[in-house]
Amino acid sequence: SQELEQSPQSLIVQEGKNLTINCTSSKTLYGLYWYKQKYGEGLIFLMMLQKGGEEKSHEKITAKLDEKKQQSSLHITASQPSHAGIYLCGADRYGNKLVFGAGTILRVKS
Amino acid sequence: SQTIHQWPATLVQPVGSPLSLECTVEGTSNPNLYWYRQAAGRGLQLLFYSVGIGQISSEVPQNLSASRPQDRQFILSSKKLLLSDSGFYLCAWNSSPGQGFDEQYFGPGTRLTVT
Repeated sequence: SQELEQSPQSLIVQEGKNLTINCTSSKTLYGLYWYKQKYGEGLIFLMMLQKGGEEKSHEKITAKLDEKKQQSSLHITASQPSHAGIYLCGADRYGNKLVFGAGTILRVKS
Repeated sequence: SQTIHQWPATLVQPVGSPLSLECTVEGTSNPNLYWYRQAAGRGLQLLFYSVGIGQISSEVPQNLSASRPQDRQFILSSKKLLLSDSGFYLCAWNSSPGQGFDEQYFGPGTRLTVT
């Protein structure tokens, strides 16, 4: 199994609906990163969480870190077609190296 | 501002042929540089990272090698490609280590298909 498990693997939501993507680590989380990727393109940095209980928001995307549960969640409010893509979580391991989850594919229906 | 370039964008190569992918970073000095591979349905796998010219660390044994001939240039190579080398290769950079957590910034990627 992977060190970072993302759920769901994919989801389709109606435009305007809220959604949550989860990232669970099998090891202690010291730093958690969220990226977005359009198919066939590079990754775009969204947010970084460092402390347990930390919560950050950017536009309609909010990410939280639950250190005790070794889990992070990404919540999108009032989804739009522009939110469609692949969302990846990455965990900081040793020496600034990241391990990534397999990604969550998000499709937004208009 | 910093930018990261990858070349080529797409590549189709026969099995057994050599490979050279290039990554260059502009607007920063002494970056950490990383090569990742993304296979279908899987997350990114770190292949190599470099903290300076000529300093390369390999994360997984494989058919590939990396070099850093200049401060802002990172090259991924192979002498003989295998079918299993197909994938999407991403280069990334961030600031020098020891400064806490620094997000990595990714290039646009190179789609490699080995036939």
